[in-house]
Amino acid sequence: AQSVTQLDSQVPVFEEAPVELRCNYSSSVSVYLFWYVQYPNQGLQLLLKYLSGSTLVKGINGFEAEFNKSQTSFHLRKPSVHISDTAEYFCAVSLSNDYKLSFGAGTTVTVRA
Amino acid sequence: DTAVSQTPKYLVTQMGNDKSIKCEQNLGHDTMYWYKQDSKKFLKIMFSYNNKELIINETVPNRFSPKSPDKAHLNLHINSLELGDSAVYFCASSQPGQHNTEAFFGQGTRLTVV
Repeated sequence: AQSVTQLDSQVPVFEEAPVELRCNYSSSVSVYLFWYVQYPNQGLQLLLKYLSGSTLVKGINGFEAEFNKSQTSFHLRKPSVHISDTAEYFCAVSLSNDYKLSFGAGTTVTVRA
Repeated sequence: DTAVSQTPKYLVTQMGNDKSIKCEQNLGHDTMYWYKQDSKKFLKIMFSYNNKELIINETVPNRFSPKSPDKAHLNLHINSLELGDSAVYFCASSQPGQHNTEAFFGQGTRLTVV
């Protein structure tokens, strides 16, 4: 079975500073990888996904992530954050022949002025 | 137009009651899901239906029963509610087979059992 570990539970960051959220996964077979964002009292919105191809994936709102197969990682980055990026961020994985998503525990990003 | 809509958004009820949460998607997807988010924000899948057939049934108490009248709807009925059922429940849909497209989530239903 696949699993996901988000290495940071909370990440405080100043406005316009860069941010990196770390995600590692474990699986014996190929996986698809996702980052979702949850704004306060909202549902989950997809930021980006890796299915195959280029290991650098660009998403919405200026976010990008890099798939590293040898390190089984899929870290999320943004070069300059805004106050509006304050949210909960979830890394998720699914198998290519599976329907369900397995989520990490989430990382709370708090952006301060 | 909301892609995945759940009702109600908030639900406060007493222990022992029976309640239902409704979910509808207008994306034409074949697969729908229920996820539970606990107080620590951990998300875990509960059920999945594909074309009205149950395909995933994680370890969930029998008090929880999903019902899919058609592929656009997946409702969740909970009998004999317990304090520990308090959580946010998310409905989602996807279309596996199209290179495993992402799941689209509803806004969530915050269930509080008192």
